[in-house]
Formats: sequence, structure tokens, C-alpha cells
Amino acid sequence: EAGVAQSPRYKIIEKRQSVAFWCNPISGHATLYWYQQILGQGPKLLIQFQNNGVVDDSQLPKDRFSAERLKGVDSTLKIQPAKLEDSAVYLCASSSRSSRANYGYTFGSGTRLTVV
Amino acid sequence: GENVEQHPSTLSVQEGDSAVIKCTYSDSASNYFPWYKQELGKRPQLIIDIRSNVGEKKDQRIAVTLNKTAKHFSLHITETQPEDSAVYFCAASFQKLVFGTGTRLLVSP
Repeated sequence: EAGVAQSPRYKIIEKRQSVAFWCNPISGHATLYWYQQILGQGPKLLIQFQNNGVVDDSQLPKDRFSAERLKGVDSTLKIQPAKLEDSAVYLCASSSRSSRANYGYTFGSGTRLTVV
Repeated sequence: GENVEQHPSTLSVQEGDSAVIKCTYSDSASNYFPWYKQELGKRPQLIIDIRSNVGEKKDQRIAVTLNKTAKHFSLHITETQPEDSAVYFCAASFQKLVFGTGTRLLVSP
């Protein structure tokens, strides 16, 4: 099966600019996640969607980050305005399980963001 | 909130030795415990997982053990090879996947 697709692979922006990332999950996977992985750390969940509804966005910095999953398939994550500390790899993952039994995760290749 | 602690942060072994990485979790409702291997610049790859109704699982040179009472789980790699060198992450999940801080494993020939 095709994997989780993400784009772009790399992005360099100046602080205070905006940026958007795109994710296409595995076909049929109802649950989609966005993780932030800062260099040297484990991935941190930013937001979790079940179909097109938000299940968990407790760690999403809502003053600057936003995400949507229209039609319950593709998703976009936006940062506006970006800060230096947003430099990280943004990983998208999807799973076929419901939000109450989250296994079967598959990760995309990630987008490496550098804010200068 | 949920928390997963992982030790050690770095681990150096000689080829052929065993490596053990340990994790503890805080949410007693967690019922799924995957381990991921992440090579430099690449995505995390699932290498083995265990569910809460099982105490041990083995797949060739890797094994995972789970102690639900103590909220501990461990990854065991036997007969290590240089290609096992990577960062390993444990994770625990009930309604969301919470990652540990990672262990950098270096296997020297």
C-alpha cells in the first residue's frame, strides 16, 4: 500500500513568516496525527483528527498553529507567524484504528522546517 | 498528563553484545506499547510492539517485555550489529501515542 505522503520535504523561512505543510494519509485511515520533533527529542503530538473532527489539540500552540482536515482525508498544518523555536521536523502519521485504540501507526517522511 | 521516561539516553555496545532500553509510563490506562527505530534524517519505523494483555513478545533478535504493575517496558536487542545503530523511541498509548525521549544506540564493529 502507498505510504503517508508529506510535502514539502524541506522548508526554510524567516521568523514571522507563515508556512504550511500538507499530508495525505494512507487510504482508508480515519485517524491522522501531526507531530513536532525537535532535534534530539521524541515526537510530540500537536493534533489528532478522527475523520475530519479534532480529537486532541491540547498541545497545539493555537495562537500561531492551525490545522484542518477537510473531507476527512488530506490535512494541512499552518504556522503563522513562525518563531525560531518552531524549527523542527513535522511528522504526519495515520492509523486505521479508532481514537480509542491507537495502533497501526504509519509515519510520513516529515517536513524539516528551519526558521532563521 | 501522560509521561514516558526512557533510559539510557545513549548506549554504546560492541557488535554481538546485547542492548537493553527501558521505559516507564505514567498513564495506567495505556494499553499499547510500540518501539520505533529512527535513522538520521528518516521517519520513525515501527520495529516491534506489545499490547497490555501480553507480557513478552519476540521477533528474531528483538524482544519487548511489559510489566503493567510496575508500568515498565523494555526493548532487548541480542547479537547487535552495526546496522542496529540508530535512535530508538518507546511510546505508550491509550487514546494518543506519547513518545519517550529516545536512546541513541551505537554498535561498534
